Amino acid sequence: EDKVVQSPLSLVVHEGDTVTLNCSYEVTNFRSLLWYKQEKKAPTFLFMLTSSGIEKKSGRLSSILDKKELSSILNITATQTGDSAIYLCAVLVVGAQKLVFGQGTRLTINP
Amino acid sequence: NAGVTQTPKFQVLKTGQSMTLQCAQDMNHNSMYWYRQDPGMGLRLIYYSASEGTTDKGEVPNGYNVSRLNKREFSLRLESAAPSQTSVYFCASSETERRGGIFGPGTRLTVT
Repeated sequence: EDKVVQSPLSLVVHEGDTVTLNCSYEVTNFRSLLWYKQEKKAPTFLFMLTSSGIEKKSGRLSSILDKKELSSILNITATQTGDSAIYLCAVLVVGAQKLVFGQGTRLTINP
Repeated sequence: NAGVTQTPKFQVLKTGQSMTLQCAQDMNHNSMYWYRQDPGMGLRLIYYSASEGTTDKGEVPNGYNVSRLNKREFSLRLESAAPSQTSVYFCASSETERRGGIFGPGTRLTVT
């Protein structure tokens, strides 16, 4: 059974801190790994990672995939209160053409 | 270009009632998905459709049926609603060679 696990499930930090969110997966046929940010409504896309070791960056957010370790991390530097959200990791499975999601990490940034 | 649209936004049902959640996308995506989201559970796949004319069960299909009416539309039907189906339902579509799912705004369903 395809499985995606995120850790921690919940994280509370102060504004300005740097955070690292983790995602590990066990799937039958990996195509890519995706990160989403969910505030109050629908998840919004952050990154898609396909190749191991190549960092994707967008402003203060960055992510990297380690195919050998079957995992990915999402880093957020100099956090701001607007970064408070649930961060979801998902794996796109080849053949079945489906996204399998982890449970999400609820990140809270206190001023 | 509206992306992914879902109707209704909110719905309250009584146990045993039926209803259909509608989803449409205008991005010419092949794949469409229905997820439910419950607190602490992330998103769980109910059904998906890899292409027009095909549908497959996901992780939690019991109590639901789907129809891929055409390339644009993918509906989710609850034949006899149960309180355990109280959840937020998201539809998504994807162009799998590029990015993953683009999500609709969600439907908040309460079954009493």
